[in-house]
Amino acid sequence: AQSVTQLDSQVPVFEEAPVELRCNYSSSVSVYLFWYVQYPNQGLQLLLKYLSGSTLVKGINGFEAEFNKSQTSFHLRKPSVHISDTAEYFCAVGFQKLVFGTGTRLLVSP
Amino acid sequence: DAGITQSPRYKITETGRQVTLMCHQTWSHSYMFWYRQDLGHGLRLIYYSAAADITDKGEVPDGYVVSRSKTENFPLTLESATRSQTSVYFCASGTVSNQPQHFGDGTRLSIL
Repeated sequence: AQSVTQLDSQVPVFEEAPVELRCNYSSSVSVYLFWYVQYPNQGLQLLLKYLSGSTLVKGINGFEAEFNKSQTSFHLRKPSVHISDTAEYFCAVGFQKLVFGTGTRLLVSP
Repeated sequence: DAGITQSPRYKITETGRQVTLMCHQTWSHSYMFWYRQDLGHGLRLIYYSAAADITDKGEVPDGYVVSRSKTENFPLTLESATRSQTSVYFCASGTVSNQPQHFGDGTRLSIL
């Protein structure tokens, strides 16, 4: 069985500052890893995914994530955030079926 | 435009009633999924479908029924609604079994 932990329920940050959203997972087998973004009153959008290969994955909107097998982490980063990045971010892991984390709300202030 | 449409967007009903949430996709994706989103739980998979007439249970299937007679439609039915089923429901589609790619905007369901 897999599980996902998003340690931060909310991350406040100022515009143009860097941000890291943390995701740790537990699994007894190899898994695929995903980050999704949810804007208010909308469904989720796939930001990026790690299936295999390079551990640094680049996604849409300037986001990237790094898979760290030894630390069982898949943290999401962006070097400079915009107001429009304010949203809820979900990490998900799985091979046959995805398990989602509880989400991290990113609040970007001017 | 290609996309995934859920209806209704909002629904209020009473315990014991049957209610059906609709999902229609124009991507021609093989896989479709139903999730519920609750505070503190993230998204949990209710049912998924690999193709027309092929469905399977997810993490929280009890109290729900699905069907998929056509590739583009994947309705979710609550046969006898309970208050614990008050939630936001998302339909999604994708080309790979465990990777929902596109989500609908959700149905906010309140059961009184």
